[in-house]
Amino acid sequence: AIQLTQSPSSLSASVGDRVTITCRASQGISSALAWYQQKPGKAPKLLIYDASSLESGVPSRFSGSGSGTDFTLTISSLQPEDFATYYCQQFNSYQLTFGGGTKVEIK
Amino acid sequence: QVQLVESGGGLVKPGGSLRLSCAASGFTFSDYYMSWIRQAPGKGLEWVSYISSSGSTIYYADSVKGRFTISRDNAKNSLYLQMNSLRAEDTAVYYCARPRLDMFSGSPNDAFDIWGQGTMVTVSS
Repeated sequence: AIQLTQSPSSLSASVGDRVTITCRASQGISSALAWYQQKPGKAPKLLIYDASSLESGVPSRFSGSGSGTDFTLTISSLQPEDFATYYCQQFNSYQLTFGGGTKVEIK
Repeated sequence: QVQLVESGGGLVKPGGSLRLSCAASGFTFSDYYMSWIRQAPGKGLEWVSYISSSGSTIYYADSVKGRFTISRDNAKNSLYLQMNSLRAEDTAVYYCARPRLDMFSGSPNDAFDIWGQGTMVTVSS
């Protein structure tokens, strides 16, 4: 199965900061990557699909980039509601896999 | 509105069985591949199983292969997960999830835009 390695596993940031999370795949997955946001006790919410396409209703401060094996989720100006855990997911193969998650905490 | 509602979770002893259900509404269920995804307490997300729209194609994660069985009833707009020979490591919140695109629009593999609220399964003696 394709492994996804997210970094960092956690970070502390302030409101207004620019935040970048990376996701590296163990083999090339083209652009078959999604990013999710999850808050405690809630189901994940889709933010980005096809590596860089913004899901409907998601604020434009979220953006995704990358292809092949290296991907990035960027939050351009962190808002209070953005403190959560973020996961990447690949769907290049039928054995879908998720990254280990990145917890974004308040500094 | 588009909705998935899981049920059937609970406490079960190691080696026991449990059947989860996921009721879909607000969309044409039979047009979508569906998946089960789980999350152990304090851990990340793990894809469990996938079933095609007709039920003819099924895949499982290695961790549950031979113990779990996914199925669907399109007439009832329902997805199921039969879990046998349960282990402590199967303890998790189980989510059903719908991909962003239906079977006519894209690949069976896709990002998940609709998730249920999850149902908790606890395997403990």
